[in-house]
Amino acid sequence: NAGVTQTPKFRVLKTGQSMTLLCAQDMNHEYMYWYRQDPGMGLRLIHYSVGEGTTAKGEVPDGYNVSRLKKQNFLLGLESAAPSQTSVYFCASSFDRADTEAFFGQGTRLTVV
Amino acid sequence: RKEVEQDPGPFNVPEGATVAFNCTYSNSASQSFFWYRQDCRKEPKLLMSVYSSGNEDGRFTAQLNRASQYISLLIRDSKLSDSATYLCVVNKDEKLTFGTGTRLTIIP
Repeated sequence: NAGVTQTPKFRVLKTGQSMTLLCAQDMNHEYMYWYRQDPGMGLRLIHYSVGEGTTAKGEVPDGYNVSRLKKQNFLLGLESAAPSQTSVYFCASSFDRADTEAFFGQGTRLTVV
Repeated sequence: RKEVEQDPGPFNVPEGATVAFNCTYSNSASQSFFWYRQDCRKEPKLLMSVYSSGNEDGRFTAQLNRASQYISLLIRDSKLSDSATYLCVVNKDEKLTFGTGTRLTIIP
């Protein structure tokens, strides 16, 4: 039982390049989330999904897109990376409501140069 | 004003001591509350949920005061393994909002 798995764990991008971060969970959770964590800012919600085929904007959605085509996967896309997107990205999932435990992946460290 | 505010610390506490953290939240309609723990360069993990009646899990006690909109965490008989960042988390409308965290270091 792997829990929440993020791919890749590290990445360096050049400004303007695109990439997709993959989050996969094997716990049959309905809710999935993408956060970014920056020093002094805490975890900020980028986008989230309350079920397969649904997505919604969080606190800092600009510059990111997401898709939830399959229940177990939640993809985060950066269409044109900017240095301001240098961060640690965490994916999380929870069973069916935000007031149940959220399980996090190990994070993706992204640097945009 | 931030939705969830915490003292960033650091708190440097001798082993065996008792330490308490507070957290305040701005939205009175917030629905549920949690403490998460995050070790250095690791993912956050749930420490405990917080209820109005107060709840205890071993050496850890959490308390919620809805009238004053603050949440507390008390750690008794602190261990070296308690060194971590403690994140206050508030849920409203299916979204979790995290505080910036309070860093705790237990000194031998």
